[in-house]
Parts: sequence; C-alpha cells; structure tokens
Amino acid sequence: GENVEQHPSTLSVQEGDSAVIKCTYSDSASNYFPWYKQELGKRPQLIIDIRSNVGEKKDQRIAVTLNKTAKHFSLHITETQPEDSAVYFCAARRHQAGTALIFGKGTTLSVSS
Amino acid sequence: GAGVSQSPSNKVTEKGKDVELRCDPISGHTALYWYRQSLGQGLEFLIYFQGNSAPDKSGLPSDRFSAERTGGSVSTLTIQRTQQEDSAVYLCASSLSRQGGDYGYTFGSGTRLTVV
Repeated sequence: GENVEQHPSTLSVQEGDSAVIKCTYSDSASNYFPWYKQELGKRPQLIIDIRSNVGEKKDQRIAVTLNKTAKHFSLHITETQPEDSAVYFCAARRHQAGTALIFGKGTTLSVSS
Repeated sequence: GAGVSQSPSNKVTEKGKDVELRCDPISGHTALYWYRQSLGQGLEFLIYFQGNSAPDKSGLPSDRFSAERTGGSVSTLTIQRTQQEDSAVYLCASSLSRQGGDYGYTFGSGTRLTVV
C-alpha cells in the first residue's frame, strides 16, 4: 500500500520568509496529491491539490510542485504571514474511486512576526 | 446538512468499556472516511465507505474496531473494550466520489476520545 513521508516535522520562519514542506510517496500508481491545513483546534481543510499530469500549480502565495520520477512533491508558501501558522498535511492517492487518501504525519509551521 | 457532523465532540470512558462515535456526512456525498489523529502521528486511515460497495477496512488497527454505514448516510465507529492507546481524536470526512474524479474531503470537527 501507499506510504507517505513528510519533512520537516516542525518549521519556524520569520514573517515574510518562504516556507517549503516536502513529501515522498511509495506507490508509483498514485497520481492525486492534496495538501491540508489544520489550525489549532480546528478541522483539516484542503488548501491546494495537484494531479500527476501537471508539474506545478500555484494559487496566490502557495504553490505545489510534483516530481513523479522521484516520487516527491512539495508545498511552497511565499511571503509567510502569522496566519499561516498551522499544521500542514500532505497526502497521496491513486486516481480512482475506491481508495482513501494516505496522509503524511504533518508539519507544524510557526511564523513569527 | 451544511457540513460533516460528528458526535459526541468529547468522550471520556473507562478502560474496557465500549464506545460509539457517530458521523453524519454532507448530503449527497457518497464517500465517507474515518481517520484517527494522535499527537505526532498525523492522520491515520481507519476505514472507507463508498456507496453500496464493501468498505475498505484495511486501516482498522485491531478487531476491537468496527464501523458501519446505514442507508448510505450516517456512520458509526465502534471501539470495543477500549484501551488507553485508543485515546485520540477520531475524524470523519466525506466527499463526492465518481470514477475518474478527485474531490477534496470535508472533515468533521472530530470526537476527542479519552480512555482513563
């Protein structure tokens, strides 16, 4: 089955800096890769996702890149703000109905002003 | 409903007791998932229901855990003979699911289970 590794487990940056979180996956058949943000005491929410037919996707200050050959994908947050502080989870799944997302263990991002 | 509802929000139980956790998904969402979130362990997949298909139970950690989904809507996760290591937040999520489509999950707010 799928296994997703996520690094780093914690990340501290200054406001305005960039933050990068990296994930690797094991199942070469996986081709859907979402990222979820979980603020303290709240439920995880989808912030961006990418499918394997593209290498990069951007939405304002966040972007995700995918390298299928190396089986890794990354979340990039630019111009970080204190409200970006949260736990971020990557996930992977085969592109078909009938399978569940497998999540990484999360990265706690702290943005200090 | 407007969102995924879970109840209870908090549950404290004595070791050895059985507990039932409830999830009411978004109306029209055919896929329903249960995950467990322990400190430092991320979101651990437990079980997945898709329409009338047999559920994917591959993530259930032991035979003390079971789940059912009645009428393709509400789901109940049951933990028998609870142990202290079962203490965690149990999250339910639902999504649209059609062949060839990927849809994001909508999570409930979770049930925090504490076994004492």
